[in-house]
Amino acid sequence: DGGITQSPKYLFRKEGQNVTLSCEQNLNHDAMYWYRQDPGQGLRLIYYSQIVNDFQKGDIAEGYSVSREKKESFPLTVTSAQKNPTAFYLCASTEGLDRSYEQYFGPGTRLTVT
Amino acid sequence: AQSVAQPEDQVNVAEGNPLTVKCTYSVSGNPYLFWYVQYPNRGLQFLLKYITGDNLVKGSYGFEAEFNKSQTSFHLKKPSALVSDSALYFCAVRSRSYSGAGSYQLTFGKGTKLSVIP
Repeated sequence: DGGITQSPKYLFRKEGQNVTLSCEQNLNHDAMYWYRQDPGQGLRLIYYSQIVNDFQKGDIAEGYSVSREKKESFPLTVTSAQKNPTAFYLCASTEGLDRSYEQYFGPGTRLTVT
Repeated sequence: AQSVAQPEDQVNVAEGNPLTVKCTYSVSGNPYLFWYVQYPNRGLQFLLKYITGDNLVKGSYGFEAEFNKSQTSFHLKKPSALVSDSALYFCAVRSRSYSGAGSYQLTFGKGTKLSVIP
C-alpha cells in the first residue's frame, strides 16, 4: 500500500450524518484521487487534485466534498446528501501530472451507513 | 470518452497452468494502459504498465501483458499460476493525448476475479 494511509479502516455512521475520511501520503506526490468501489462496478472517480488548493470533480462527485490544504493530505467528506454512501473508499496518488505515471493506492476505508 | 472492458467476471485456472485475464479498451488517440491487483479488503497494487515501445510488458510477480493496437487489447498473462495469485484484477486506461482536465482521469474496468485451484 506504499506510503499512503487511510483511516479508519472501518467506519460506521447513522444516516443523515456527515463523515470525513482521512487520506495522508508521504510520497511527496503532487496529484491525489478519491475513488469509490462497489461490488461488480470497478472503481469510480469521485474527486481529484493536481495541486494544493485545487481540485476537480470526477464522475460521481454529488454528495461528496474535498479539500487540499496541504500537499500530503486530501480528506473526503461524505455528506448526508449522498444517497447511497455505503461503499469501499480508496485514496490514491501519483508522482506528478504526467499521464504515464501509475497511481499508488491506500488500504481503503469501508464505510457503512445505516 | 474512454472505457475499459474486462469480459470475464471470473477466471478459474489450475495451479501451474498458464493464465490469461482479458482487457480491451477504447480511448481517443494512443493509450497508457495499466494492470492492478487487489486482495480482499485491501487497496490496489500496481502490476505493470504500457507506455510505448515493446508490446510485451513485464511486471511484478511474474506477470506480463501484451499490447495489441489493432485489437485494442491489453491481456494480462502468467506462464504458471500460483494459488497466491487468486485476487481481483483491474485493467485501466488513460489517453496519451491531452483534451482538458479530464485527461488526467484513469478509467478502470469492472475487474476480473481470478481463482487458482490447487
